[in-house]
Order: sequence, then C-alpha cells, then structure tokens
Amino acid sequence: DVKVTQSSRYLVKRTGEKVFLECVQDMDHENMFWYRQDPGLGLRLIYFSYDVKMKEKGDIPEGYSVSREKKERFSLILESASTNQTSMYLCASREQGALYGYTFGSGTRLTVV
Amino acid sequence: SQKIEQNSEALNIQEGKTATLTCNYTNYSPAYLQWYRQDPGRGPVFLLLIRENEKEKRKERLKVTFDTTLKQSLFHITASQPADSATYLCALGDYKLSFGAGTTVTVRA
Repeated sequence: DVKVTQSSRYLVKRTGEKVFLECVQDMDHENMFWYRQDPGLGLRLIYFSYDVKMKEKGDIPEGYSVSREKKERFSLILESASTNQTSMYLCASREQGALYGYTFGSGTRLTVV
Repeated sequence: SQKIEQNSEALNIQEGKTATLTCNYTNYSPAYLQWYRQDPGRGPVFLLLIRENEKEKRKERLKVTFDTTLKQSLFHITASQPADSATYLCALGDYKLSFGAGTTVTVRA
C-alpha cells in the first residue's frame, strides 16, 4: 500500500522556535506538496516541489521554507514559529502529470504556544 | 481572484438516500476537477478525477458531473450508508490543486 508518512501526529512548540515538519513518500513520486488546513478556510498551499532540489511558492509561503534534498523527502520549516501558525499541516505527493490524484499523509497538528 | 465554493451547510441525510454536493468555481478554467473524502483528524483521500471534456464519471456508488459552462460540479453519493459520513472536498487545478472548504455529510441509520 502506497504511503505518505508525516513524522509527527501532534507537536507543541514555543513561539520563536525553529520547527521542522518531515514528510516521506515511498511511491517514487516527483511532485510533493505542503498544505495547511484551518476551519472554514480549507486547504491552502504553502510550497510545492516538482522534483529534487526544486521548489515553488504556493499561496501562503510567508514564514515558511522547504527542503527537498532527496526525492522521497520533503521538509517544511517554520523559521520562527508564531501562534498564527497553529494549524493542521498536510503533506501530499503525486506522480508527474495532472491526471493523478494526490496521496496525503495523516497530517501533523501543530500548536504554537 | 479564483474562488471555489462548496455547500456551506452540512448535509444530514437518511441511510439509503442520495446525497448531492455542489462545487462552484469562479475565475478558473480548469481542465480537471477532483473530489476527495476526509475523515476527522486524517488527510484527504482521492476519490475521483473528471476532465473538462467529460460530462459525467462514476465509481461504484459515486457520480460526478462537470459543467464548464455553469462552472459547477455535482457530487452524488447514491444509496448512502453511515460509513459515507465524512467531509468531501472538491479541488481544481493541473500541476497544483486549490481546494474548497468542504461539505460535511452525516448519514443517519
């Protein structure tokens, strides 16, 4: 069964901390994505990556960065966590091409206090 | 700006009935539209993709229509079951997807 694994289900971090969210996929997918999901706002795209070492900003990249050194791993970095970054973070991957759906991880619920 | 709107109200239906969910969009000309299911505390799960030149697509008890003139997709769950209770998301785009906020469906036994 294909899988996208997010390293933590729940995280609590302090304001100002640097936070790393890790995502690993075992499907050899080229495309990977980070979204955040907030009640009433739906999923919003933070960053995505077409391939290794490539990254593009999504709709809400401010306060975030990403790293993709290996094809299977896509990391989201909160440079200096703030309370408004408290959210559910979802990683997804997809084969190259628009005809494919995304495979999502189970999500990381991050609370910044 | 681009906008995707789904039924704002939650949908409560009796087991065995058909649930119909609406996805309307503006300022898009999507070639593809997708539907996902999301259970509480979990990531969305891909259900169906429909192309702009396909009027209708079916998968088991699910049926999706795509009207590019009306800028609308309808998602039907026929013979609904309590296990169909979830939030359903529509998504548009090609290389990156934009999602609606979702419609929560509750099927009563």
